[in-house]
Amino acid sequence: DTEVTQTPKHLVMGMTNKKSLKCEQHMGHRAMYWYKQKAKKPPELMFVYSYEKLSINESVPSRFSPECPNSSLLNLHLHALQPEDSALYLCASSDPTSGTFYEQYFGPGTRLTVT
Amino acid sequence: QKEVEQDPGPLSVPEGAIVSLNCTYSNSAFQYFMWYRQYSRKGPELLMYTYSSGNKEDGRFTAQVDKSSKYISLFIRDSQPSDSATYLCAMSSLLMEYGNKLVFGAGTILRVKS
Repeated sequence: DTEVTQTPKHLVMGMTNKKSLKCEQHMGHRAMYWYKQKAKKPPELMFVYSYEKLSINESVPSRFSPECPNSSLLNLHLHALQPEDSALYLCASSDPTSGTFYEQYFGPGTRLTVT
Repeated sequence: QKEVEQDPGPLSVPEGAIVSLNCTYSNSAFQYFMWYRQYSRKGPELLMYTYSSGNKEDGRFTAQVDKSSKYISLFIRDSQPSDSATYLCAMSSLLMEYGNKLVFGAGTILRVKS
C-alpha cells in the first residue's frame, strides 16, 4: 500500500477561522512533508518531520502550525490565513532509512480557499 | 537564477509521438533525480528516479541524467492521450538524517492529441 490520504479534499475558510488539515500514511515512513502548490506552479516545501520531530521549517509564517502526533499522522493547523494562502496543500512521506529515501509519495492534496 | 529550470510548455504532440522533456540545474550537490507526473487537481505521482549519470528505462519511459552538463531528460515513447499531464522534474541532495528536500522544476504541461 503506497497510499497517502488527506482530508478534507476541499476547504473554504474565512480569515478569522481556525481549521486543520490531516494527512495519514501506513507505509511505515518516518519522514513526512507539507508542501504548498499554487496554480501552475511546482510544489514548495513548507515543513519536514523526521521521526515525529520537526526537522525543516522553510520560514513559513506562524499562521501555519504543523503537528506530528504519531508516526502515521501529520496535521497542519491553520489560523488567521490570508487570501493569498489559497492553494493546494500536499502531504508526502518517505522512508529515510531505506535505499529509496528520496522517493516521496504524495497524497491527493487539500484544496484550500481563504475568503 | 533558479536552481532548477524547466520549460513550462505547453507541449502539444500527436498520439504515438516521442516526447522529450528536459530540465537543467545549477546545484552540483544534487545526486538524485526524479520525474513526477501530476494530473489536474491531483497530487504528484513518482514516475522515474535515477542516481547520478546514465539512463534508466521503464516501459515507455526513459530517464537520462548528464551530470557533467547538469541536464536531465525524460523520454516518452508511443505517447498516449492518457499521458497528458504536467511533468515535474525534481532533484535532491543527500539529507538522510532529516528526510530529503526535493527541489522541483516549474513543470511542463504535456498534451497528447488523439
